[in-house]
Amino acid sequence: DAKTTQPPSMDCAEGRAANLPCNHSTISGNEYVYWYRQIHSQGPQYIIHGLKNNETNEMASLIITEDRKSSTLILPHATLRDTAVYYCIVRPSQGGKLIFGQGTELSVKP
Amino acid sequence: DAMVIQNPRYQVTQFGKPVTLSCSQTLNHNVMYWYQQKSSQAPKLLFHYYDKDFNNEADTPDNFQSRRPNTSFCFLDIRSPGLGDAAMYLCATSKHFGGNQPQHFGDGTRLSIL
Repeated sequence: DAKTTQPPSMDCAEGRAANLPCNHSTISGNEYVYWYRQIHSQGPQYIIHGLKNNETNEMASLIITEDRKSSTLILPHATLRDTAVYYCIVRPSQGGKLIFGQGTELSVKP
Repeated sequence: DAMVIQNPRYQVTQFGKPVTLSCSQTLNHNVMYWYQQKSSQAPKLLFHYYDKDFNNEADTPDNFQSRRPNTSFCFLDIRSPGLGDAAMYLCATSKHFGGNQPQHFGDGTRLSIL
């Protein structure tokens, strides 16, 4: 079973920041937080991952709370093309399979 | 540039008629995965190959088989498709199974059963 909880849906205005929350209260010390997204009729796309420090790349920023029980994915300037289902996944540092939860369906509106 | 390629994008087969879905990769990754994604659900791992080593998930039905003839190609065989097997089938790759290796997904094959 997935170890994460996400809101089923969110809306965001185009050009604004999208902040997607994820709860992972049972995360273990050696587990990373991964984010993927799936645009309609496409395969999932890797976005970012982190252990305990905040991470940023060209797609997004990942903020992980100090107790690591929750995290937030930030899309700084959402566009219509960011409309997708966003999955937060907890995965051991030694790797292994991805267990997808139900994700958050983000709708970016003009 | 497409790195994980699934053909065809849409496949229709008849109830009980064997069907094969294909996946190829240009990444030279060691691991290839097959996921099943039913409508409005999250992807679910069926099995994976690490090089030639096949690893089946415990709850994957026997109806599903896989072949990996070389590094670049992996096939999903459904021996006797039932109506419940209608789904999107996703192929993914990663350099290794362990470590912090993101998986790279293809765009899937949507399978319909008549």
